[in-house]
Amino acid sequence: DIQMTQSPSSLSASVGDRVTFTCRASQNIKRYLNWYQQKPGQAPKLLIYAASSFQSGVPSRFSGSGFGTDFTLTISSLQPEDFATYYCQQSYSTPCTFGQGTKVEIK
Amino acid sequence: EVQLVESGGGLVQPGGSLRLSCAASGFDFTIYSLNWVRQAPGKGLEWVSYISRGSSPIYYADFVKGRFTISRDNVKRSLYLQMNNLSDEDTAVYYCARGDYDDLTFDNWGQGTLVTVS
Repeated sequence: DIQMTQSPSSLSASVGDRVTFTCRASQNIKRYLNWYQQKPGQAPKLLIYAASSFQSGVPSRFSGSGFGTDFTLTISSLQPEDFATYYCQQSYSTPCTFGQGTKVEIK
Repeated sequence: EVQLVESGGGLVQPGGSLRLSCAASGFDFTIYSLNWVRQAPGKGLEWVSYISRGSSPIYYADFVKGRFTISRDNVKRSLYLQMNNLSDEDTAVYYCARGDYDDLTFDNWGQGTLVTVS
């Protein structure tokens, strides 16, 4: 199985900050990498697919990059509604696997 | 509007069975693959099973093979998960998720149904 490792596991940031978190795959997954946002008590929401493509309706402050084994999600200017947990997921092969999540908290 | 509505969760004893359902609306059900993804309390997301638009192929996570069965009814626009021989490790919110792009990218999710094994 492909292991997905996210870092950091949590971070504290302020509104307006630029934040970046990373996801590393245990083997080459090309661009088969997706990012989801989950708020407490809600279902996950797809933000970015295929490493850097925006899902419809996602604000442009979110961006993704990477190829192969190393990927990043960047929020250019953190907004109050962005405080949530973010998961990466590889869709390269089954079993598709998720990272353990990065929780973004208010500083 | 795409809607996925899960039902069938509840409290079950270890070794028991449950059948989850997911009712879909707002899109052409027959052209999308579907998945079940679960989340144990306070934990991360865990993919459970995949079914293609025509019900073949089907894939399972190793931890449910032989115990869970995924199926779909394209006429009723519904997805199912039959869960047998449940253990406390299966306690989780179970989400129905539509597959898009590469079939394993989950572009729409239901609100989830809680399964408690105790």
